[in-house]
Amino acid sequence: QQPVQSPQAVILREGEDAVINCSSSKALYSVHWYRQKHGEAPVFLMILLKGGEQMRHEKISASFNEKKQQSSLYLTASQLSYSGTYFCGTEVQGAQKLVFGQGTRLTINP
Amino acid sequence: DTEVTQTPKHLVMGMTNKKSLKCEQHMGHRAMYWYKQKAKKPPELMFVYSYEKLSINESVPSRFSPECPNSSLLNLHLHALQPEDSALYLCASSQYSRLAGGTDTQYFGPGTRLTVL
Repeated sequence: QQPVQSPQAVILREGEDAVINCSSSKALYSVHWYRQKHGEAPVFLMILLKGGEQMRHEKISASFNEKKQQSSLYLTASQLSYSGTYFCGTEVQGAQKLVFGQGTRLTINP
Repeated sequence: DTEVTQTPKHLVMGMTNKKSLKCEQHMGHRAMYWYKQKAKKPPELMFVYSYEKLSINESVPSRFSPECPNSSLLNLHLHALQPEDSALYLCASSQYSRLAGGTDTQYFGPGTRLTVL
């Protein structure tokens, strides 16, 4: 079942912060975050594991709440290069695949 | 090196044509994937190959035929496609198909933008 991402779109000024959420109705083993720029392939950012620590990629960090089956991506002091669509991919234990959320479009203005 | 390459970058074909998409990785990954992505939508899984064997077919129409000749190469053969099949076709690879290894994830190629006339 597809995870639900919120919000669907965010517009920020450079330097502002944002949070993107990814929720699943199923028990997850891991959550994978990707960023995709227009016309390009999704680029892997980080993995959040069940029972694992909060992860960080540059000024982007993420957490995974096992009780809520929800992951949050935190973008701090956003840069123009952060613009793109963010997807979470969720992995149910034992599955051989990721199921992606519908995406969150992030626009950073100067 | 986490590079997955795909050819061609763009493909235009008629509904009666036969064409193939190619994907290659040299990371020693044993799992490879085909995804279809429509505009403003997430990647949608089509096929998974694990150790060169087809392990998942997400009920994809038979006009799409995957092939994995060896552990580095993945093809997608196209025949009698419909205009609604126009999309970005992404290939991905991961070390293993079962991602629950803690550090494994899927790495995507740049995609082939397919237009069916």
